[in-house]
Amino acid sequence: IAGITQAPTSQILAAGRRMTLRCTQDMRHNAMYWYRQDLGLGLRLIHYSNTAGTTGKGEVPDGYSVSRANTDDFPLTLASAVPSQTSVYFCASSVLGSGNEQFFGPGTRLTVL
Amino acid sequence: RKEVEQDPGPFNVPEGATVAFNCTYSNSASQSFFWYRQDCRKEPKLLMSVYSSGNEDGRFTAQLNRASQYISLLIRDSKLSDSATYLCVVPSGGSYIPTFGRGTSLIVHP
Repeated sequence: IAGITQAPTSQILAAGRRMTLRCTQDMRHNAMYWYRQDLGLGLRLIHYSNTAGTTGKGEVPDGYSVSRANTDDFPLTLASAVPSQTSVYFCASSVLGSGNEQFFGPGTRLTVL
Repeated sequence: RKEVEQDPGPFNVPEGATVAFNCTYSNSASQSFFWYRQDCRKEPKLLMSVYSSGNEDGRFTAQLNRASQYISLLIRDSKLSDSATYLCVVPSGGSYIPTFGRGTSLIVHP
């Protein structure tokens, strides 16, 4: 692995199903983030984690949960998907601190029908 | 006032033109600022950081105006390959959580 990866690349999901989006980084960054990007709305923060074992809510956390069991992995779970969760999801990581660059994964394109 | 605001554009300019974007922010305590570039259907990537003294990298110049609470990005001698969406990022005051603007779309045409 080089950098930050996400899986799956894309997914079509029936409403009501549970889905976990995976994110893994090998840069030993302590901070990780999940964003969703919708046309006209830009990148909106869903959840973040400043270090393994801690998580926090972003701007649009409802309907999503995260866990941070170790430094490398930061999965995002949709417990019961709804059509409004159709979006492109980006995971990012950085060294903790306001002056540090975020590195983004390639994104997961999710469609909920 | 939103935390971070950008003119969505699109800015449609010919090759060789000079174009500038502004990004206003509401939290005067913010200390670090960034410009990211995002190509269509791709992930955002850091273009440049914005320092108090300004920052120049080739054809790109970023500046900070603390008094008026905005950052700017100037692109000189625009290339076709500069066509993208440019996102400004301002960490929320008192935290390390970055807030993205909605982006400004640039289209450079022949």
